[in-house]
Amino acid sequence: ETGVTQTPRHLVMGMTNKKSLKCEQHLGHNAMYWYKQSAKKPLELMFVYSLEERVENNSVPSRFSPECPNSSHLFLHLHTLQPEDSALYLCASSQWLVRGQFFGPGTRLTVL
Amino acid sequence: ELKVEQNPLFLSMQEGKNYTIYCNYSTTSDRLYWYRQDPGKSLESLFVLLSNGAVKQEGRLMASLDTKARLSTLHITAAVHDLSATYFCAVPYSGGGADGLTFGKGTHLIIQP
Repeated sequence: ETGVTQTPRHLVMGMTNKKSLKCEQHLGHNAMYWYKQSAKKPLELMFVYSLEERVENNSVPSRFSPECPNSSHLFLHLHTLQPEDSALYLCASSQWLVRGQFFGPGTRLTVL
Repeated sequence: ELKVEQNPLFLSMQEGKNYTIYCNYSTTSDRLYWYRQDPGKSLESLFVLLSNGAVKQEGRLMASLDTKARLSTLHITAAVHDLSATYFCAVPYSGGGADGLTFGKGTHLIIQP
């Protein structure tokens, strides 16, 4: 695997379900990010991890819970989501921002 | 609060024509990034602009950064159909290390034969 990978690519869940999104970067980067892209809003930053420490929580509701167990892996745990949380969730990584952020393919989430 | 504005948001043009997409941002930053997104796909990094006056070119695309004017441009020369996509500019929050990016709304570009 190369670059940034995300699983699953598609996810449909009910409002009472609990699920997790996984992101893995194979670039040796030291920072990882979660973004949300929905039809109605521009790309929004959700969380930033630098050297496995969370450095940014962009006022994200607590029903989204990130986890960064090491510098290569990032998770987004989901529980009791709302239909308006349906969106494309993108993971990115960077060696800080010298060369920009590299994005994964995204997880298309639908909440019923 | 950092705001990033792109214009136009939608652009339909013919092959062979030239055009420019503009990106303005509201707070001081000496870095700016351009990304491309094809329908149903993720974001592809196009340009990383790291200083005032930076100019980068790749094929028919050229990007520049004027940090004093807080303005970046993405110029398309002799457009071809393959350049049809949505283009985003993005600015880091605070200019530090692991900063999140604030994105513009994107410019949806359609190039017609």
